[in-house]
Amino acid sequence: DVKVTQSSRYLVKRTGEKVFLECVQDMDHENMFWYRQDPGLGLRLIYFSYDVKMKEKGDIPEGYSVSREKKERFSLILESASTNQTSMYLCASSFQGAGIDEKLFFGSGTQLSVL
Amino acid sequence: RKEVEQDPGPFNVPEGATVAFNCTYSNSASQSFFWYRQDCRKEPKLLMSVYSSGNEDGRFTAQLNRASQYISLLIRDSKLSDSATYLCVVNTGGYQKVTFGTGTKLQVIP
Repeated sequence: DVKVTQSSRYLVKRTGEKVFLECVQDMDHENMFWYRQDPGLGLRLIYFSYDVKMKEKGDIPEGYSVSREKKERFSLILESASTNQTSMYLCASSFQGAGIDEKLFFGSGTQLSVL
Repeated sequence: RKEVEQDPGPFNVPEGATVAFNCTYSNSASQSFFWYRQDCRKEPKLLMSVYSSGNEDGRFTAQLNRASQYISLLIRDSKLSDSATYLCVVNTGGYQKVTFGTGTKLQVIP
């Protein structure tokens, strides 16, 4: 079974702190994604990566950066956390073989609170 | 108009009932469609893909209506374990073009 692991389930940070959210998948998937989920807004794509060291902006990349140095690991970085970045962050991965129809596997999420 | 719209619910139905959800999408160029299920405080998981010909998986049936730009999910003989939020997902092409609906909450009551 595919496993996508996010490093923290809950995280509390202060405004202005640099925050790292880590995600690791164990199925050798090429694609990895970072979403945030807010009530009434659904899941919104922040960044995705289709290969090591490759990244593409999603719908809401402002205030975020990402890093993919190894195939299994995709990190989301908040350079200077702000209160409007309080949210549930979900990492996902997918196999590239079937293209855009490929199933997304999600991690269990990190609830980030920025005070 | 939102790209993908769902009735947030909640839909409260008794065990054994049949319930249906619709999801409308605005982009006629949308290429692929899915239903995901999300339990409370858990991650979304793929329930089923939606094909033009319709598809069925046990008690679940998904339909696509391209002319009216909506997809539907029908659940027969509802179980308590079906209680969850059902997310409609539409892809208009490319990994960055996957749009999630805000979800429809289903509560199955004993």
